[in-house]
Amino acid sequence: SQQGEEDPQALSIQEGENATMNCSYKTSINNLQWYRQNSGRGLVHLILIRSNEREKHSGRLRVTLDTSKKSSSLLITASRAADTASYFCATEDAGNTGKLIFGQGTTLQVKP
Amino acid sequence: IAGITQAPTSQILAAGRRMTLRCTQDMRHNAMYWYRQDLGLGLRLIHYSNTAGTTGKGEVPDGYSVSRANTDDFPLTLASAVPSQTSVYFCASSESERGKDTQYFGPGTRLTVL
Repeated sequence: SQQGEEDPQALSIQEGENATMNCSYKTSINNLQWYRQNSGRGLVHLILIRSNEREKHSGRLRVTLDTSKKSSSLLITASRAADTASYFCATEDAGNTGKLIFGQGTTLQVKP
Repeated sequence: IAGITQAPTSQILAAGRRMTLRCTQDMRHNAMYWYRQDLGLGLRLIHYSNTAGTTGKGEVPDGYSVSRANTDDFPLTLASAVPSQTSVYFCASSESERGKDTQYFGPGTRLTVL
């Protein structure tokens, strides 16, 4: 079962623009993580935000969390062609295995 | 530092054959995981291991088995491969089994079952 679902499924922007991806989830969480996947590669952890945090920054990344709406957003500012990748949110499966459940991802293309 | 390695990188397999995907980590992580990634379905957890000697079933365990004889290795076996098992398989590890821990992923194995 999907816990996190990303929106949009695909996003295409010009270099220098900002990219915003959204993630919605269904049940209460302790934290939410964002991962990045370059084509043909494994996922790489970007950032973790805890349930008592509303916003977190890491370089050009800004993550927000709204637990009342059960949603999170990932903002990439001043995008670069190298940011082209798929981005996934992941939340903890509180009800079953306690393991991370990944959404289907947002595919971002940044055109030079 | 290698992190997580997977072998083979890719494989074409006849239906009904047995296949073992290998995964090794050198970070001394307690927890390890196997996922499959399919277009439109994202990553789905197949099996996991919280620590050496223990394993558990994930979301899609049928047709797969795992073992965790030691900390470093976590092989995934398809006893009798079927075409629906065509997918990209990722192994991952984390320091502990808790959901707050970062997972580190291997490069993946692309498996095609004909």
